[in-house]
Amino acid sequence: DAKTTQPPSMDCAEGRAANLPCNHSTISGNEYVYWYRQIHSQGPQYIIHGLKNNETNEMASLIITEDRKSSTLILPHATLRDTAVYYCIVGIYNQGGKLIFGQGTELSVKP
Amino acid sequence: GAVVSQHPSWVICKSGTSVKIECRSLDFQATTMFWYRQFPKQSLMLMATSNEGSKATYEQGVEKDKFLINHASLTLSTLTVTSAHPEDSSFYICSARGDSNQPQHFGDGTRLSIL
Repeated sequence: DAKTTQPPSMDCAEGRAANLPCNHSTISGNEYVYWYRQIHSQGPQYIIHGLKNNETNEMASLIITEDRKSSTLILPHATLRDTAVYYCIVGIYNQGGKLIFGQGTELSVKP
Repeated sequence: GAVVSQHPSWVICKSGTSVKIECRSLDFQATTMFWYRQFPKQSLMLMATSNEGSKATYEQGVEKDKFLINHASLTLSTLTVTSAHPEDSSFYICSARGDSNQPQHFGDGTRLSIL
């Protein structure tokens, strides 16, 4: 079973920041938090990952709480092309790094 | 960087035939590749993990004789669906990873339809 909990759907206005939450209360010390997104009929696209520090790249920012039990993915200026299903996944390194996908959050960016 | 190519992107074939899907890492060496299956309106389900030069590790409930995986080089893995039937129709997606601290990168998937 997936080790994360995400809201099934969210809406965001175009140009505004999209904040996608994720709970991972059973995360262990050496597990990373990964975020991927899947646009309809395509393979998932890697967004960002982190261990305990906040991370930022050209796509998004990842904020991980100090106790690491939850995180938030931030898309700073959402566009219509950001409409997708967003998956928050905890990496299982002791089993070869495989990722177990949950149901994700369906983000709809509206004009 | 980190491009994964999957071929073919879609295939339609008759029941009983075998279908091979290729997954290539174009600009990095993939020590590990993964195969997933996704049914409509559902999330991705991991089928198997393959490491270059060794036998694949299948997830519980996935028939290894039905879904043959070969990872003969650091840039290529193949999934063969043997004696395919309509219930095998699905979206098959591969991913590849370099070393263990790197994220997986996914191909664009293969839509398989068995008539």
